[in-house]
Amino acid sequence: GENVGLHLPTLSVQEGDNSIINCAYSNSASDYFIWYKQESGKGPQFIIDIRSNMDKRQGQRVTVLLNKTVKHLSLQIAATQPGDSAVYFCAETITGNQFYFGTGTSLTVIP
Amino acid sequence: DAGITQSPRHKVTETGTPVTLRCHQTENHRYMYWYRQDPGHGLRLIHYSYGVKDTDKGEVSDGYSVSRSKTEDFLLTLESATSSQTSVYFCAITPSGGGEQYFGPGTRLTVT
Repeated sequence: GENVGLHLPTLSVQEGDNSIINCAYSNSASDYFIWYKQESGKGPQFIIDIRSNMDKRQGQRVTVLLNKTVKHLSLQIAATQPGDSAVYFCAETITGNQFYFGTGTSLTVIP
Repeated sequence: DAGITQSPRHKVTETGTPVTLRCHQTENHRYMYWYRQDPGHGLRLIHYSYGVKDTDKGEVSDGYSVSRSKTEDFLLTLESATSSQTSVYFCAITPSGGGEQYFGPGTRLTVT
């Protein structure tokens, strides 16, 4: 399968600070890169995606950056809140049919 | 929640028994997926479907079969459950050809 990896399994941030979660991917042919959030006992929740021909995309309090030169993807969360505590996964899709997921980073927000 | 339900939500079964998990969607999306999630492995694709009676294998398809006789239902069958199939199973749909994918609440399966 594809090699999609997150750099750090755990990350702790103070409430109100910005969070950055990183991911590396291996396949240059991927069309889309996606970030998901998964809370305990729930299914993954789509956050934001970015197409391979873009470098940056912004959503509500989140920004995804794509660096194709070094095959790196990051998710930035602004003004992190306790409700942001969860496991975050990156994923890539090449054909739009099959998706490959990283193993996840657990984000803990310290009040 | 993208109108995705999974049943059952929890199941305990014995090794060697057949098990069928059901995924139901209410929005007639063409693509449906079955994943398993295990510690240290993230989500891994078992099978997916791109239409009624059109299915294909994912990276961990051995020991699993699927069927899709209606747009709204995607069934995952473990013909003879093994302890290695103890996992949390998620169904997902893709509403378009892009990166968005929406997941059901999951089924926790324990094979004893």
